Amino acid sequence: QKEVEQNSGPLSVPEGAIASLNCTYSDRGSQSFFWYRQYSGKSPELIMFIYSNGDKEDGRFTAQLNKASQYVSLLIRDSQPSDSATYLCAVRASGGSYIPTFGRGTSLIVHP
Amino acid sequence: DTEVTQTPKHLVMGMTNKKSLKCEQHMGHRAMYWYKQKAKKPPELMFVYSYEKLSINESVPSRFSPECPNSSLLNLHLHALQPEDSALYLCASSQVQLAGARSYNEQFFGPGTRLTVL
Repeated sequence: QKEVEQNSGPLSVPEGAIASLNCTYSDRGSQSFFWYRQYSGKSPELIMFIYSNGDKEDGRFTAQLNKASQYVSLLIRDSQPSDSATYLCAVRASGGSYIPTFGRGTSLIVHP
Repeated sequence: DTEVTQTPKHLVMGMTNKKSLKCEQHMGHRAMYWYKQKAKKPPELMFVYSYEKLSINESVPSRFSPECPNSSLLNLHLHALQPEDSALYLCASSQVQLAGARSYNEQFFGPGTRLTVL
């Protein structure tokens, strides 16, 4: 069973702080890693994906991948109240499967 | 165009009704998915179509019947649903990954259909 684990939260951070969201996965051969943001009552929106070890930055978002430790994280700099949402981690495993496995999501609350 | 569209946005139906959910994408993706999502839970995979053929059915009850008329369209036919089937139904699409090839295969989700079964 390929598993993707996230702390359900809520993670509460003050406005302007860095929010750090973490995700671990069980399949060592996993290939691609995705972060989705989902506002309450809305559909998931892809915000970042990463393939290689290291950091990938896009605006205020940085995805970090460490395949040896089997974790991927998402950092949100200068957090805004509009970042308050559930963040879903999804992992595409090895073996040629193109279907990702989703974690249960971490709820982020950014308070003014 | 990175948009996946879904209709209707909201649907209320009785347990004896027959209705259909529709999904469309024009990104040239050859994999299309149906997910069910309950409140505060992650999306739960129901069906996957690859090149217009059903490739995965996650043991979904037969009251849900998927259909893929062409590479851009995906339907979900609903019949004799139960109140516990009330949920957000999400359609998604992606490229189909070949084994060993490097690709991100990111999924793009539609806005969803909020289904209420009375």
